[in-house]
Amino acid sequence: DAGVIQSPRHEVTEMGQEVTLRCKPISGHNSLFWYRQTMMRGLELLIYFNNNVPIDDSGMPEDRFSAKMPNASFSTLKIQPSEPRDSAVYFCASSQPGQGQDTQYFGPGTRLTVL
Amino acid sequence: RKEVEQDPGPFNVPEGATVAFNCTYSNSASQSFFWYRQDCRKEPKLLMSVYSSGNEDGRFTAQLNRASQYISLLIRDSKLSDSATYLCVVILYNFNKFYFGSGTKLNVKP
Repeated sequence: DAGVIQSPRHEVTEMGQEVTLRCKPISGHNSLFWYRQTMMRGLELLIYFNNNVPIDDSGMPEDRFSAKMPNASFSTLKIQPSEPRDSAVYFCASSQPGQGQDTQYFGPGTRLTVL
Repeated sequence: RKEVEQDPGPFNVPEGATVAFNCTYSNSASQSFFWYRQDCRKEPKLLMSVYSSGNEDGRFTAQLNRASQYISLLIRDSKLSDSATYLCVVILYNFNKFYFGSGTKLNVKP
């Protein structure tokens, strides 16, 4: 079975540009998470969707970040305009709650570098 | 204060050694606990859940101490392949909060 799919795997862009990260969760999973990982701050939850609805976006750093989940099989995380401090690995994860173990399955991540 | 704290390590141990990591959490309302493993430049993957009664999976044992608000991971008979970063996860479902620790790095050496 396919796991969580993320694209692109690597992104290098210049400051001020718009960046869009994409995620396809595991089929049947109804929760989707966006995380950011840096050496300094570790793994931080940015936003969490349940049944395509944003439940908690308190981790989104600022208005430059936005996330959408138009349907159960696709989500985007957009940064506009991007800044060098946004450089990080962005992970998407999905889970199927209510089965005794809320395991989050992570995608391979998008390594973003903003110059 | 961070919600979840871990000793970053690295823990450098020889093959065959027993090593233990702790992870402390600040919110007594925390409901679920997990250990994840992350290899270098890879995504985190679930290692095991942590139950109040403790649970064991082969060489790995996880424990929860609610009174002192920490979870632990014990690895027996360490293998070279155990070298990775181990992340603890604390979940508060009632508040929709998912907290990852910053990880403890383990290096198992021949």
